[in-house]
Amino acid sequence: AQKITQTQPGMFVQEKEAVTLDCTYDTSDPSYGLFWYKQPSSGEMIFLIYQGSYDQQNATEGRYSLNFQKARKSANLVISASQLGDSAMYFCAMREGPNFGNEKLTFGTGTRLTIIP
Amino acid sequence: ETGVTQTPRHLVMGMTNKKSLKCEQHLGHNAMYWYKQSAKKPLELMFVYSLEERVENNSVPSRFSPECPNSSHLFLHLHTLQPEDSALYLCASSRQIGETQYFGPGTRLLVL
Repeated sequence: AQKITQTQPGMFVQEKEAVTLDCTYDTSDPSYGLFWYKQPSSGEMIFLIYQGSYDQQNATEGRYSLNFQKARKSANLVISASQLGDSAMYFCAMREGPNFGNEKLTFGTGTRLTIIP
Repeated sequence: ETGVTQTPRHLVMGMTNKKSLKCEQHLGHNAMYWYKQSAKKPLELMFVYSLEERVENNSVPSRFSPECPNSSHLFLHLHTLQPEDSALYLCASSRQIGETQYFGPGTRLLVL
């Protein structure tokens, strides 16, 4: 089974609208971490936001927030007030197990977001 | 310079060539990673180093040879590559293993 599933290969969104990028995950480990990265056409993977499995509140970082629904095993990224510069590939990733000693991140296949002026 | 840097940014090589990719992190991190990103495939972890010791090797062919001389530098030595090795190679670092990874801009490799 896929560990990380991103079901939207591509999305087109009008500028200034909010965007939700879907991510579901599969793990039996009670301790895990979820990450979102942005990859513009230049290639660099830019870290956006992190959610730990034991975190009580949904993570937020500026215009980014993570809609963490543990029971559904989903960790959707929400971008408020989208901007043209948000056009990029977005990857969801998971680290299974606690921080210490767990180096492997499993990435999804990504969603290509295009913001339309 | 800040963050994670990679050189070269683009590389074209023949199957008989030997080349090296370089990664340098200016974040004071202790862990460094090599990833391969091929078209339409998820990012694949290749190698992980923690305090200059290799801790992960995901069944990577021996034509890829990593080297970590110190915690700030990571190399990927390439020899006798195949066309299917053409990909974007990304380096990342984290403060400790398991913590948030910060990526460099990548090296786009084309093997002819």
